[in-house]
Amino acid sequence: KAGVTQTPRYLIKTRGQQVTLSCSPISGHRSVSWYQQTPGQGLQFLFEYFSETQRNKGNFPGRFSGRQFSNSRSEMNVSTLELGDSALYLCASSLGSGDAYEQYFGPGTRLTVT
Amino acid sequence: AQSVTQLGSHVSVSEGALVLLRCNYSSSVPPYLFWYVQYPNQGLQLLLKYTSAATLVKGINGFEAEFKKSETSFHLTKPSAHMSDAAEYFCAVTNNDMRFGAGTRLTVKP
Repeated sequence: KAGVTQTPRYLIKTRGQQVTLSCSPISGHRSVSWYQQTPGQGLQFLFEYFSETQRNKGNFPGRFSGRQFSNSRSEMNVSTLELGDSALYLCASSLGSGDAYEQYFGPGTRLTVT
Repeated sequence: AQSVTQLGSHVSVSEGALVLLRCNYSSSVPPYLFWYVQYPNQGLQLLLKYTSAATLVKGINGFEAEFKKSETSFHLTKPSAHMSDAAEYFCAVTNNDMRFGAGTRLTVKP
């Protein structure tokens, strides 16, 4: 099976712009979670989508949003970019939603905001 | 709320030596605990997970971890380090959402 894919892998944006990142889960996986990884804050949970519904959300401002499509692919959007949004954004998929399900991570999208 | 603390942001061992990476958890309910490894410019790869079935959990690449409720610990070990083990390791706990530790960077000296 193909793993989790994320596009694009690298992105450079300017402050104030918006950005959309894409995640394709492993075939058959219905849950997609997003994480932000920075040197200062480490790995932080953004949100989880399951069957096109946001199931859980971390402590991030409303500028961060996401959605999931009927084929389980997910996108996350960040509006009005700030310098502090520069990070590696990781997507993870799992068969179902719940603590017992293993999450499989993609390679990430490295976003640089200038 | 659940959380994990990884003791030691950097650990250096010689090739062939024991690897011990420490993780303590805080959770109000029986936790699900995980260890992940991250190589440069890559995502996270699951090494092993604890789901209360057995306290000693064996993972990939020769790693294992022991769940000790009395010590609220879930330390990761490997008997003999290999150069390819050099990476960053994350302990995580989940209870509706996954919380990661700050990570431990493992260096393996030849």
